[in-house]
Amino acid sequence: GQQLNQSPQSMFIQEGEDVSMNCTSSSIFNTWLWYKQDPGEGPVLLIALYKAGELTSNGRLTAQFGITRKDSFLNISASIPSDVGIYFCAGSVDNYGQNFVFGPGTRLSVLP
Amino acid sequence: EAGVVQSPRYKIIEKKQPVAFWCNPISGHNTLYWYRQNLGQGPELLIRYENEEAVDDSQLPKDRFSAERLKGVDSTLKIQPAELGDSAVYLCASSSDRGYETQYFGPGTRLLVL
Repeated sequence: GQQLNQSPQSMFIQEGEDVSMNCTSSSIFNTWLWYKQDPGEGPVLLIALYKAGELTSNGRLTAQFGITRKDSFLNISASIPSDVGIYFCAGSVDNYGQNFVFGPGTRLSVLP
Repeated sequence: EAGVVQSPRYKIIEKKQPVAFWCNPISGHNTLYWYRQNLGQGPELLIRYENEEAVDDSQLPKDRFSAERLKGVDSTLKIQPAELGDSAVYLCASSSDRGYETQYFGPGTRLLVL
């Protein structure tokens, strides 16, 4: 079946630094989503991407839909302590999809 | 607007016991999902409903898991009997049927099977 890989698996950064993480697949996806999950909570949607090459921002977060449609990237600029959490990518082969496969997540820790 | 509501938030049971989880989706959302999230992993889809109809239950272990969504609103996910490997967080999510909106998750039910 379809599987997503995320890297890095975990990362420790200093407050104020920029962060980059990515998500790759062996299959083509037509929709990419990025979620953040805090401890004890469900994932919260950060950014949705629907077109190859699309670059979308949400505050300090920017995500890109890879041109090959097999990857996506998330950048966080000027990290702050509340950015701590697990970031999941999710992909769907459907246009504006309904069925999503989730990656294993990238755990982000921000050091003051 | 209220989000997806799930209960209970936590459940501890002994193996071979039954357990049930309840989900109330966002008002107006016709699509409802149940996911299982094992420790250190992303959510994995168990079942997806479009209104009352289960349109994708291919990943639901049907020997012990069952789900229902009567009247196309609330949903219940049941495990009977529970096994040690069922310990996980069970997440419910919902989405509208307009196609360009995506799914919103509830806080989940954390299940521990002893």
